Amino acid sequence: GQSLEQPSEVTAVEGAIVQINCTYQTSGFYGLSWYQQHDGGAPTFLSYNALDGLEETGRFSSFLSRSDSYGYLLLQELQMKDSASYFCAVRDMDDMRFGAGTRLTVKP
Amino acid sequence: EAQVTQNPRYLITVTGKKLTVTCSQNMNHEYMSWYRQDPGLGLRQIYYSMNVEVTDKGDVPEGYKVSRKEKRNFPLILESPSPNQTSLYFCASSLQGADYHEQYFGPGTRLTVT
Repeated sequence: GQSLEQPSEVTAVEGAIVQINCTYQTSGFYGLSWYQQHDGGAPTFLSYNALDGLEETGRFSSFLSRSDSYGYLLLQELQMKDSASYFCAVRDMDDMRFGAGTRLTVKP
Repeated sequence: EAQVTQNPRYLITVTGKKLTVTCSQNMNHEYMSWYRQDPGLGLRQIYYSMNVEVTDKGDVPEGYKVSRKEKRNFPLILESPSPNQTSLYFCASSLQGADYHEQYFGPGTRLTVT
């Protein structure tokens, strides 16, 4: 079947680094995206990887290994406002598939 | 301001009473999509549209209809809602082609069917 697996919860302290992993199994693959969603809000786009390697956007980085069907989102210098749910998503032909989400809690 | 709007934001209805959730975007995006979000299940795609008059089923299309008569609008229709359609619904839009991956989401519609 087609699936995206990511941890359900992660906890870290302010200022630390956290990595959220995502493994996927889909019939097609055009790229891996990451979205952030605060409680009560809408998902917002963070990053996208179509090719293997690391993409950096400020404190956030995203990595992809197509051969391993694996990617991760790296959040550095964690801030309290980073407490949110993070979703990986795969573009599969014309549709999008999302993981169940990882709830990140940042503690002081 | 570039945005995706949805109406209503909250809706409580009864089983079997037809309803429509509207979605509109002002970014001239070709691609539009509807998702439902349920606890522990993430976002599941209901229907999507690549352009005007072009729609296709996502992962969970049963019980839903859509139409795309204009580029900016993509309404979601529940002909006969049932309690298992109680959920949080998001509309999203994006450019086509290489920029397809960055989707812009509306604020969400919380639907309760009793």
